[in-house]
Amino acid sequence: QKEVEQDPGPLSVPEGAIVSLNCTYSNSAFQYFMWYRQYSRKGPELLMYTYSSGNKEDGRFTAQVDKSSKYISLFIRDSQPSDSATYLCALGTSYDKVIFGPGTSLSVIP
Amino acid sequence: ETGVTQSPTHLIKTRGQQVTLRCSSQSGHNTVSWYQQALGQGPQFIFQYYREEENGRGNFPPRFSGLQFPNYSSELNVNALELDDSALYLCASSPALRDYGYTFGSGTRLTVV
Repeated sequence: QKEVEQDPGPLSVPEGAIVSLNCTYSNSAFQYFMWYRQYSRKGPELLMYTYSSGNKEDGRFTAQVDKSSKYISLFIRDSQPSDSATYLCALGTSYDKVIFGPGTSLSVIP
Repeated sequence: ETGVTQSPTHLIKTRGQQVTLRCSSQSGHNTVSWYQQALGQGPQFIFQYYREEENGRGNFPPRFSGLQFPNYSSELNVNALELDDSALYLCASSPALRDYGYTFGSGTRLTVV
């Protein structure tokens, strides 16, 4: 079993839709949970960073963490064509490297 | 803030050659991590440097090595290049060892032929 699993997509939605992106993980030592957005030919850009179970909201983005189920989600409300990118979940422990998921490719169609 | 700068942006090398990739960390950041990202994959951790010392290494052979300088800039060196080393190499900096809100550079695209 891989440490972090993520549906690779591609995921295609109409503009204005609510998007749900998900990751599952196997190591209960993960305490830090991040979501990055990566546009083509660019480096990843940090979107959300949390270390507790529950929800964290920032504008149109909501990160949700369920440590008991080892499941994290990113919700995008009112999706825009500019949200078209690859979304990477990333997890860290208090003593080790950050592990990235394989990424989900999202296309928002005008 | 100038962000993280990587050079060169693109590079073509022949199998067996050596390559050095460079990274200037964001101002005030003392921790630098290097990742390899193959096409269609997530970034894979190579190693991390904190205040000029290696602080953790991923599952990469010893021909991948690095340095961090007193100004916290960093280099990634790869010897005896193999075709499978073709990838996007990403540098990420953070202001502290346990701050995982990384700032990434745009990467160096390495092609080995």
